[in-house]
Amino acid sequence: SAVISQKPSRDICQRGTSLTIQCQVDSQVTMMFWYRQQPGQSLTLIATANQGSEATYESGFVIDKFPISRPNLTFSTLTVSNMSPEDSSIYLCSAIRDRHTEAFFGQGTRLTVV
Amino acid sequence: DAKTTQPNSMESNEEEPVHLPCNHSTISGTDYIHWYRQLPSQGPEYVIHGLTSNVNNRMASLAIAEDRKSSTLILHRATLRDAAVYYCIRPNRDDKIIFGKGTRLHILP
Repeated sequence: SAVISQKPSRDICQRGTSLTIQCQVDSQVTMMFWYRQQPGQSLTLIATANQGSEATYESGFVIDKFPISRPNLTFSTLTVSNMSPEDSSIYLCSAIRDRHTEAFFGQGTRLTVV
Repeated sequence: DAKTTQPNSMESNEEEPVHLPCNHSTISGTDYIHWYRQLPSQGPEYVIHGLTSNVNNRMASLAIAEDRKSSTLILHRATLRDAAVYYCIRPNRDDKIIFGKGTRLHILP
């Protein structure tokens, strides 16, 4: 199994500002993903974080709003830019070590935008 | 598109077995079936996954129909700690885990 650490675990931010969330995996992984989970809802995939190249975004999510970095095989960041109250949500990082194996999830970052 | 169908909710009594169904009628021959669960206020956790054969681990068993169009997650002896949302997922060819609404499992003491 792999252990995923996310920082911060929660934050309260002013609208118009940006927050960068960090995701650290305790071992090298093939793939890393970012999700959003709004209150009472299921998880929605934001993007796949690709090492050494631009992230691959799902429909409805764009790089300008959610820039993602993945500088190596164990670390990724998601930035929520120019925040509004609608961005209040839990953001989760996930990783897969190898193809066709299980995914691991961080505990999430609870973001409140005021 | 989650590509699986699950009941919205189920109830079970504590210390009894629980069978959580999942339909995936459009599954291809190389699609794995994954199950995850999300306990309250936590990130999802892996439960079990399989391709064709039934699978067992310390948490649960996965029974896969012979035609692979459905599967059942079996919790052999439910406890209150098993109350969670259970997700049946077919990762796509890019290994993306796309979540549907899942089944909310209530355990009655």
